[in-house]
Amino acid sequence: DTAVSQTPKYLVTQMGNDKSIKCEQNLGHDTMYWYKQDSKKFLKIMFSYNNKELIINETVPNRFSPKSPDKAHLNLHINSLELGDSAVYFCASSQQITPDTQYFGPGTRLTVL
Amino acid sequence: GNSVTQMEGPVTLSEEAFLTINCTYTATGYPSLFWYVQYPGEGLQLLLKATKADDKGSNKGFEATYRKETTSFHLEKGSVQVSDSAVYFCALRVKAAGNKLTFGGGTRVLVKP
Repeated sequence: DTAVSQTPKYLVTQMGNDKSIKCEQNLGHDTMYWYKQDSKKFLKIMFSYNNKELIINETVPNRFSPKSPDKAHLNLHINSLELGDSAVYFCASSQQITPDTQYFGPGTRLTVL
Repeated sequence: GNSVTQMEGPVTLSEEAFLTINCTYTATGYPSLFWYVQYPGEGLQLLLKATKADDKGSNKGFEATYRKETTSFHLEKGSVQVSDSAVYFCALRVKAAGNKLTFGGGTRVLVKP
């Protein structure tokens, strides 16, 4: 009964490659997020979608492109991966009317070699 | 802008010891305040929250009081267990910023038997 799931859990790839991380939530929430957690555990929001519409877009390189095919899914595609992209990426979801309580997925650890 | 500052870890203590993790914030507007917890290998979970001055959030023996005069939201627990070993994140949300949560850098807590 996973609430927010992400795939893959681990991703190891070479610089310059393109990769995607998928996220799905079965909570019926209408808002989803991507966060990046660096090696020092510092957590920063990247994007937020509400009902498939982009509502938060922080200062993130254009190489990162979120895609929301429906309100239960928010995927993250990364082009031309760089060493600095190595991090743990967390997907989260909430209801628009209760954004204070966000439910996080288990994270995807991305390592760029 | 909005920011959250937490004490740096790791914090190492023995079972049944008293735990305090300091958190202070700056915000443009009247924020809601949160503590999230990240257990090893998992995503973040909401631990407790407070939405106005002098409110006390509590859960699982943890407490934090919203202090507007000192812009603080320190987390406390009277008697920790080994199972409380985790990374704790203080966070805020300002309505004007929409659904965006601003996190502190996290504090790792290690409880030894």
